[in-house]
Amino acid sequence: AQKITQTQPGMFVQEKEAVTLDCTYDTSDQSYGLFWYKQPSSGEMIFLIYQGSYDEQNATEGRYSLNFQKARKSANLVISASQLGDSAMYFCAMREPNQAGTALIFGKGTTLSVSS
Amino acid sequence: EAGVVQSPRYKIIEKKQPVAFWCNPISGHNTLYWYRQNLGQGPELLIRYENEEAVDDSQLPKDRFSAERLKGVDSTLKIQPAELGDSAVYLCASSLASLKTQYFGPGTRLLVL
Repeated sequence: AQKITQTQPGMFVQEKEAVTLDCTYDTSDQSYGLFWYKQPSSGEMIFLIYQGSYDEQNATEGRYSLNFQKARKSANLVISASQLGDSAMYFCAMREPNQAGTALIFGKGTTLSVSS
Repeated sequence: EAGVVQSPRYKIIEKKQPVAFWCNPISGHNTLYWYRQNLGQGPELLIRYENEEAVDDSQLPKDRFSAERLKGVDSTLKIQPAELGDSAVYLCASSLASLKTQYFGPGTRLLVL
């Protein structure tokens, strides 16, 4: 079974609009971490945001927020006020258990296209 | 502070040839990871080092892949001989125990003809 599922192969949004990228995960661990990375065409994976399984508040980093719904095992990324530079591939990832050094398990990604 | 450095950025080889990739992690980061990213997929772990020790190499195809991290700093990943299916992006990442996340390099795009 897939550990990380991203069901949207591609998403399209206009500049200045908000967009939600979906991510669901599968784990029996109580301790896990959830991450979102951005991968522009240059190829580098850029860390965006992190949510720990025990964190009660949803994580926010500037225009990025993570809508964490533990019971539904979902960790959707919300990008507010989209910009042209947000066009890229976005990956959801999980670390289980949530210990420094543990490798990440990635989903297949969602391509986001932002138009003017 | 310099990020994770990888070289070469691109490599084109014929099948059955050897190839090597080099990674220099962020200074002070004790954990180093090699991931492989196939086209249209997310990265998948090949091997993880804690200092100079390989602590997770269960996904490394050991018949043709090898890796080393001498002195616990930079690392080399080698494929010998390369196969057509090895065409992918090879990503190196590093992390520190006190940090939440891993930082990735720009990757090496390998094309095997």
